[in-house]
Amino acid sequence: RKEVEQDPGPFNVPEGATVAFNCTYSNSASQSFFWYRQDCRKEPKLLMSVYSSGNEDGRFTAQLNRASQYISLLIRDSKLSDSATYLCVVNGPLTTDSWGKLQFGAGTQVVVTP
Amino acid sequence: EAQVTQNPRYLITVTGKKLTVTCSQNMNHEYMSWYRQDPGLGLRQIYYSMNVEVTDKGDVPEGYKVSRKEKRNFPLILESPSPNQTSLYFCASSPRVKGEKLFFGSGTQLSV
Repeated sequence: RKEVEQDPGPFNVPEGATVAFNCTYSNSASQSFFWYRQDCRKEPKLLMSVYSSGNEDGRFTAQLNRASQYISLLIRDSKLSDSATYLCVVNGPLTTDSWGKLQFGAGTQVVVTP
Repeated sequence: EAQVTQNPRYLITVTGKKLTVTCSQNMNHEYMSWYRQDPGLGLRQIYYSMNVEVTDKGDVPEGYKVSRKEKRNFPLILESPSPNQTSLYFCASSPRVKGEKLFFGSGTQLSV
């Protein structure tokens, strides 16, 4: 089983609609969680960190559910420019073996259509 | 401009011919790491470094070497490339010691 799993999609979303997707992680001791955005074959860029209480950044909302071991990303009022692959990233627990190791999900593709 | 610079952008080589992919950052970051990205597998960490002269294996270190002699540079060395190392490679750095909030280079597409 992969340590971080994402639905690959694609999620086809009409412009202006809301889309949400999850990322599950296997290690209950994971400490830090992030969403990155990656455009086709380009470098990933940090979209937002995910905090325990949930957080928003403009049209983007991230949530963490520790009990069920998943994080989510919700995009409101989707724009054409939101079309990308969204990568879930989980930092390992605070042990000497995993300090500094990051686990990436394979990504969820979102396609916003006019 | 703050950035992570990776070279070359594209590289075609043959089995067994040693190669180096360079990575340099100008942000004085302690943490640097290398990833490979393959379809359906996402990014997998090859090696990371939390400080000068300190390197650690990631999830897929076999067939790769790295060195961190200076803070700004973190080259990836393939001593004897094989076809299964054909991939898209990314270097990244972070101001955080655990590697959070990564800044990525623009990638190197390697074909062996």
